Amino acid sequence: GQNIDQPTEMTATEGAIVQINCTYQTSGFNGLFWYQQHAGEAPTFLSYNVLDGLEEKGRFSSFLSRSKGYSYLLLKELQMKDSASYLCAAMDSNYQLIWGAGTKLIIKP
Amino acid sequence: GAVVSQHPSRVICKSGTSVKIECRSLDFQATTMFWYRQFPKQSLMLMATSNEGSKATYEQGVEKDKFLINHASLTLSTLTVTSAHPEDSSFYICSARAIGRESGEQYFGPGTRLTVT
Repeated sequence: GQNIDQPTEMTATEGAIVQINCTYQTSGFNGLFWYQQHAGEAPTFLSYNVLDGLEEKGRFSSFLSRSKGYSYLLLKELQMKDSASYLCAAMDSNYQLIWGAGTKLIIKP
Repeated sequence: GAVVSQHPSRVICKSGTSVKIECRSLDFQATTMFWYRQFPKQSLMLMATSNEGSKATYEQGVEKDKFLINHASLTLSTLTVTSAHPEDSSFYICSARAIGRESGEQYFGPGTRLTVT
């Protein structure tokens, strides 16, 4: 079956770095997405990886290893506004997104 | 660019009535739109995939006669919750994928919070 695993909740300190891991199993693979979702709002796109390696975009970076079925989202210089849920989603061979349950990130001062 | 709107943003209706939610891609054309439901503190649950000019594909466990989807044009899809009940109260979110971008990101609308009393 198809499955996405990511931690339910993580806590980090303002100014620090946090890494949110995601493992996936899908029928075929067309890329890995990370979305940010603040409470009561719709998700917003953060990153897309389809090739192995690290993609950096400002304070956020995303890594993919296709052979390991593994991705992580790295957030640097954490700010209080980064408190949100982070959703990992893998796209299968039918271009359907398989969603993880999301990781709630709590930032403490 | 790539803006998706939803209307209404909030709706309260009485049990037994029907509610229509519109999803529009404002600055791009979308052959495929997706309808999600999200209960408090839970992740997105895909309800159905809507393709312009054809019948929607519903996920297992989603009643197609209760959640009517119409994708009438390349910029508009509607979800009608028929005979709504309190358990249908949820956050409904649509997303759209641009033509020719099957492997691209989905652009999400702002969501519609439905409360059935």
